[in-house]
Amino acid sequence: GENVEQHPSTLSVQEGDSAVIKCTYSDSASNYFPWYKQELGKGPQLIIDIRSNVGEKKDQRIAVTLNKTAKHFSLHITETQPEDSAVYFCAANFGNEKLTFGTGTRLTIIP
Amino acid sequence: ETGVTQSPTHLIKTRGQQVTLRCSSQSGHNTVSWYQQALGQGPQFIFQYYREEENGRGNFPPRFSGLQFPNYSSELNVNALELDDSALYLCASSWGPGQGLHEQYFGPGTRLTVT
Repeated sequence: GENVEQHPSTLSVQEGDSAVIKCTYSDSASNYFPWYKQELGKGPQLIIDIRSNVGEKKDQRIAVTLNKTAKHFSLHITETQPEDSAVYFCAANFGNEKLTFGTGTRLTIIP
Repeated sequence: ETGVTQSPTHLIKTRGQQVTLRCSSQSGHNTVSWYQQALGQGPQFIFQYYREEENGRGNFPPRFSGLQFPNYSSELNVNALELDDSALYLCASSWGPGQGLHEQYFGPGTRLTVT
């Protein structure tokens, strides 16, 4: 079936440390993997994405890695700051029209 | 460039009633997808509209229906509301569809409460 599993569900890190969130997906045909950040009372904000022809992508303090063989991908946030506190969702496409989301990770940055 | 907007922000309805939610896509985008997000969960795909026609549907009953207009804005209609329909309804706009999925940008959502 179409499934995306995300771990951990909650994560607390000291300000300045790194945070890693991991996701696995079920459909080997999936080729697009975005990450979203959702703050309280707001819609999800696209922060980075990766396509299956790329193994890693970086944007300043944020990076995503993809292992297509193992069907998993990860979000890495370095030098964390208080404003990184939010709920993060991974997603994968199942067909050209549909994103399936993970269950979310609540990230708390401890000052 | 204007982002995705949704109206209303909040809505309270009674079980059995009908509701219409509205979405204006981001400038330059021709595709709108709707998602339902229950409290503490990830968004669930309802359906997508492209060129004013439904282009894919998730596991939602027929009482969830939609429209897309020539200016690419969209409506989500839900008939015979049930308590479980209480959720945040998100609209996402994108360019496509094409080969592979294009980036989807979300609006702020409409919080629907059914009592």
